[in-house]
Amino acid sequence: QVQLVQSGAEVKKPGASVKVSCKASGDTFSSYGINWVRQAPGQGLEWMGWISVDNSNTKSAQNVQDRVTMTTDTSTSTAYMELRSLRSDDTAVYYCATDRLAPFDAFDIWGQGTMVTVSS
Amino acid sequence: DMQMTQSPSSLSASVGDRVTITCRASQNISTYLNWYQQKPGKAPNLLIHAASSLESGVPSRFSGRGSGTDFTLTISSLQPEDFATYYCQQSYTSPSWTFGQGTKVEIK
Repeated sequence: QVQLVQSGAEVKKPGASVKVSCKASGDTFSSYGINWVRQAPGQGLEWMGWISVDNSNTKSAQNVQDRVTMTTDTSTSTAYMELRSLRSDDTAVYYCATDRLAPFDAFDIWGQGTMVTVSS
Repeated sequence: DMQMTQSPSSLSASVGDRVTITCRASQNISTYLNWYQQKPGKAPNLLIHAASSLESGVPSRFSGRGSGTDFTLTISSLQPEDFATYYCQQSYTSPSWTFGQGTKVEIK
């Protein structure tokens, strides 16, 4: 069974960047996508972006596409999400999740979440 | 852009009650509809994919129905561990997804 373990909490100043990691274990790191979902305090779930583990194709939500970069390192089975030019409204818990239930692509496995706080 | 609208935003119910949550898509999504449960401080957990396929280990009191634009999640007999927030999600436009705003199920 795949498990996703994310990096620890971060505190950043406005304008800085943050890079969150998501390490997969327990299964082959291939043939699915890694998604990034965030949740601001007391708010709902917001899909941010997707990266294919197989070919590194990406797709991002319009509201972050100019500031987000998603990558993978297949040698370590790790996915990364970097968000630049941080603002206070980027304060949220960031989750990674796999979408292995083709063709319906539901998010079947989730990381534990990484709290990113943006504050001066 | 695809919009997903859940109703109600919150509800209060008692243990043993039958609870139904509705999710409406702004366009036809066939059965590309998934449901998640999230408890405070935890990551979401997939309950149902493809509108009605129950995930392994999810109690049979949970069920999903619908196709096209209108979907429901029903809990046939609410249990104490079911008090949580529930989200629908469309995957018709994968690799771009949209969540509903969530429905918080609280204890009456």
